[in-house]
Amino acid sequence: QSALTQPASVSGSPGQSITVSCTGTSDDVGGYNIVSWYQQHPGKAPKLMIYEVSKRPSGVSVRFSGSKSGNTASLTISGLQAEDEADYYCCAYAGSYSYVFGSGTKVTVL
Amino acid sequence: QVQLQESDPGVVKPSETLSLSCTVSGGSISPYYWSWIRQPPGKGLEWIGYIYYTGDAKYNPSLKSRVYMSVDTSKNLFSLSLTSVSAADTAVYYCARGSGDWDYWGQGTLVTVSS
Repeated sequence: QSALTQPASVSGSPGQSITVSCTGTSDDVGGYNIVSWYQQHPGKAPKLMIYEVSKRPSGVSVRFSGSKSGNTASLTISGLQAEDEADYYCCAYAGSYSYVFGSGTKVTVL
Repeated sequence: QVQLQESDPGVVKPSETLSLSCTVSGGSISPYYWSWIRQPPGKGLEWIGYIYYTGDAKYNPSLKSRVYMSVDTSKNLFSLSLTSVSAADTAVYYCARGSGDWDYWGQGTLVTVSS
């Protein structure tokens, strides 16, 4: 099980839209519609933002959306706000009752 | 509101066993899955494993030989044991609810492996 590949950093100005990618293989991201995304502020526990590729938990802003194409999943943040600055991690089901996280992406609001 | 609280073992010596428990309050431990996830300082997240309230557990293949999880429904808590620890096991350990989409998390506890 290798970590899913995410860009180390993504940045954008307030109000812009950004997309964070998460690339795996047909054994994980591409094989199942079980991809979740987490937001983590420094010193805090991760927070679930997206589950099952594109579903949003209650209370999560509609500015956050998820999608998947082939072996790559994506998290899009629209109308970027200062409070969105954080680390973001994807996670995918990898078969045989196991899960694998992405390498993490630092989102910076310019 | 469901809340999770990890125990605080602090420092564990190399080659010894790391033991953690997670107490669930504000809700029942059944009928949910419960997980352990860790994060080495300055690094990314790693899934350790999950356990169903019935006691059925699944582990990360890379840790499977050293990991054991258990659940105590009478005390509303679940536990993690990691044997033969080394410095590479130094991390913040989180407990969380779920098996792949974790909606409630503990605050995390830093476990340092050091002699």
